Amino acid sequence: AQSVTQLDSQVPVFEEAPVELRCNYSSSVSVYLFWYVQYPNQGLQLLLKYLSGSTLVKGINGFEAEFNKSQTSFHLRKPSVHISDTAEYFCAVSQTDSWGKLQFGAGTQVVVTP
Amino acid sequence: EAQVTQNPRYLITVTGKKLTVTCSQNMNHEYMSWYRQDPGLGLRQIYYSMNVEVTDKGDVPEGYKVSRKEKRNFPLILESPSPNQTSLYFCASKRRDRRDTQYFGPGTRLTVL
Repeated sequence: AQSVTQLDSQVPVFEEAPVELRCNYSSSVSVYLFWYVQYPNQGLQLLLKYLSGSTLVKGINGFEAEFNKSQTSFHLRKPSVHISDTAEYFCAVSQTDSWGKLQFGAGTQVVVTP
Repeated sequence: EAQVTQNPRYLITVTGKKLTVTCSQNMNHEYMSWYRQDPGLGLRQIYYSMNVEVTDKGDVPEGYKVSRKEKRNFPLILESPSPNQTSLYFCASKRRDRRDTQYFGPGTRLTVL
């Protein structure tokens, strides 16, 4: 069994400030890791994913995440946010031996204000 | 354009009235899945399908049915909806490759009165 914990349900941040969204997971087998973004009234869009190799992963819209195996974490960062980054962000994992089931965290709502 | 489409996008219905939410993808993906999204719970998998005529339960299958008669379509059926099935539903698809990304539809907001 696996689980995903997003440590913050809501993160308020000022425009042009940095943001970090925390994600921890537990799994008895190795996993792939994903961050998805959901803009208001839209579906989920992939920001980035970690499959193997370099632990620092760069995604779209200036986001990056770092996989830390020892701490079982996959935190998402952006050095300078825009108003348009206001959205809900989901961390998800899938087991490397499964065909596609994603286990999601509860989500983190990011609210960017001027 | 590669996409996953869902219909309807919004639906209000009453308890016990059978309904179907359609899902279609144009990417020739083998794997398709349904999730429901509830506040504070994230997304949870309802059912998935590895290919035509191959379906299996996810984490929260009770009260739902699915079918996969064609590769592109994966409808979600609620035979007798109840208020606890009020939720936001997402269909997703991917290639049958463990490393492939899952692509999501725009969602269907269902309210059961």
